[in-house]
Amino acid sequence: QSALTQPPSASGSPGQSVTISCTGTSSDVGGYDFVSWYQQHPGKAPKLMIYEVYKRPSGVPDRFSGSKSGNTASLTVSGLQAEDEADYYCSSHAGAQFNVFGGGTKLTVL
Amino acid sequence: QVQLVESGGGVVQPGTSMRLSCAASGFIFSNYGMHWVRQAPGKGLEWVAAMSKDGINKYYADSVKGRFTISRDNSKNTLYLQMNTLRAEDTAVYYCAKAVGTMVGGVSVSSDVWGQGTTVTFSS
Repeated sequence: QSALTQPPSASGSPGQSVTISCTGTSSDVGGYDFVSWYQQHPGKAPKLMIYEVYKRPSGVPDRFSGSKSGNTASLTVSGLQAEDEADYYCSSHAGAQFNVFGGGTKLTVL
Repeated sequence: QVQLVESGGGVVQPGTSMRLSCAASGFIFSNYGMHWVRQAPGKGLEWVAAMSKDGINKYYADSVKGRFTISRDNSKNTLYLQMNTLRAEDTAVYYCAKAVGTMVGGVSVSSDVWGQGTTVTFSS
């Protein structure tokens, strides 16, 4: 199973918007609307931020939004806040391989 | 509250076996599929295995297929991961996670509740 491709890092100033991409293939991201995004702070368990491309679990701020175009999914964080600084991982259903994660993106709030 | 607590991790040697457990509370365990996800030191997340709520459907990553077995005991609200023929590259924090969302092949792909993880470390 090949991991989905994410940029290793992203950054933005407080109040700005940042978009993190997640590129796969037609066998995973492009083939299914089952892309999820997780936030992980150091030493903590991951937290679900977006599932099924754009759905937000209860309690997740609407500053977090998800989208998909072709084989690339995106997570946008608007109105950046200091507590948004974390690692972000995308994942996707991958057919017979069932599930695959991206390599992760470290988001820095400047 | 909804909670998952993993246990069973420790120091292992190559070729040995280990069983991880994940105790669930605060929700109806038998209504949800479950996942195991691991994270090697300083690395990203890697999906390991998933199981449907009734235990019928099981899925594995290629890296563990044939060596790891996921199972559950709904009467005990517990998920298991039997790990055999362990390799150095299996060193990781292992998380169990509750599945959420639309099901695919009997299991939802996303996970909305995660445990704190249990660590499996190799001793040479």
